[in-house]
Amino acid sequence: DAGVTQSPTHLIKTRGQQVTLRCSPKSGHDTVSWYQQALGQGPQFIFQYYEEEERQRGNFPDRFSGHQFPNYSSELNVNALLLGDSALYLCASSFLGQMNTEAFFGQGTRLTVV
Amino acid sequence: QKEVEQNSGPLSVPEGAIASLNCTYSDRGSQSFFWYRQYSGKSPELIMFIYSNGDKEDGRFTAQLNKASQYVSLLIRDSQPSDSATYLCAVNGGYGQNFVFGPGTRLSVLP
Repeated sequence: DAGVTQSPTHLIKTRGQQVTLRCSPKSGHDTVSWYQQALGQGPQFIFQYYEEEERQRGNFPDRFSGHQFPNYSSELNVNALLLGDSALYLCASSFLGQMNTEAFFGQGTRLTVV
Repeated sequence: QKEVEQNSGPLSVPEGAIASLNCTYSDRGSQSFFWYRQYSGKSPELIMFIYSNGDKEDGRFTAQLNKASQYVSLLIRDSQPSDSATYLCAVNGGYGQNFVFGPGTRLSVLP
């Protein structure tokens, strides 16, 4: 059973560019959440997708957008990259219909903005 | 603003000792509590979760929850150098609510 997979694993972009990160959830999971983890900090919630719609959103600007596809996979897009966007981006999948649901993380995408 | 607080550490313990990691949370409506372990440069991996007041044991790990005090802890018995990592406390409101993470506690187990 494949777990959560993310691509790419590493990425270097120039300030002002746009980036797309991808995530495939664990089999049986229908919800994908994205987190940003800066060095030395805990993951910060960006947004969550369920049934192809953004269900919840954290305190991130509109430069951060996403999408969920019918097969539950998801993309995170960041426009007009800033140096401060450099971080580990984590995708977590879970099953919405369960009261106490666990979230499983992918290996992450390390984004460096130069 | 929902907050989760942890001592950032580093917490250093000798090999074989008990490591005690603590976490407090601000949202009284929180339903589920999770401990993740994160090695440097890697993604978080789930160690265990707890939903009810009291203790829950899984091998060398014991999670303790006190909802009245809004406090959750993780005990690691017989600590090993391989347990050296950052431990993240995460809190969830249930039914797919997003996880709120603490900043993590860095644990160092000395041989």
